[in-house]
Amino acid sequence: NAGVTQTPKFQVLKTGQSMTLQCAQDMNHEYMSWYRQDPGMGLRLIHYSVGAGITDQGEVPNGYNVSRSTTEDFPLRLLSAAPSQTSVYFCATGGVGVNSPLHFGNGTRLTVT
Amino acid sequence: QKEVEQDPGPLSVPEGAIVSLNCTYSNSAFQYFMWYRQYSRKGPELLMYTYSSGNKEDGRFTAQVDKSSKYISLFIRDSQPSDSATYLCAAFSGSARQLTFGSGTQLTVLP
Repeated sequence: NAGVTQTPKFQVLKTGQSMTLQCAQDMNHEYMSWYRQDPGMGLRLIHYSVGAGITDQGEVPNGYNVSRSTTEDFPLRLLSAAPSQTSVYFCATGGVGVNSPLHFGNGTRLTVT
Repeated sequence: QKEVEQDPGPLSVPEGAIVSLNCTYSNSAFQYFMWYRQYSRKGPELLMYTYSSGNKEDGRFTAQVDKSSKYISLFIRDSQPSDSATYLCAAFSGSARQLTFGSGTQLTVLP
């Protein structure tokens, strides 16, 4: 049982390039989300989804797109990478209760030069 | 102003010490409060969960919430080197259905 799997683990992009960060979960949760983690800023919500076909913006959505065609997958797309998007990206699934806490993947470390 | 503020640390203590980690929040709609632990190069994992004011104990860990002062605390008794990690407080409002995190406190327990 893998939980939440994020690929790739590391990525270096040049400014203006595009890429997709993959996230897959095998926990059968409806809720999935993407966070970015920056020093001194904590985890900030980028986008989230409460089920297939439903997505919504979080605190810092600009520059990112998401889609949710299946329960299992929730990819995050950077359309035109900028140095300000250098960060560690975490995908999470689950809920907020003690019986279904938010489960995080191990992150994708992205550097934009 | 961030909705959840956390002492950034870093905090370094000797093994066996009592550790106190603290956060404050500004949104009165927050109902659920959590502490996540994050080891280096890993994703955060849920450590403690509380609803409303009061204390909750789990082994060496005690989570405390005071809604009147909007204060969240995590106490670690008999701290161990394996407790060395970044600790993130988080709060949740059912209406917003979003978790809001503090910036994290990096803790090092020295053997």
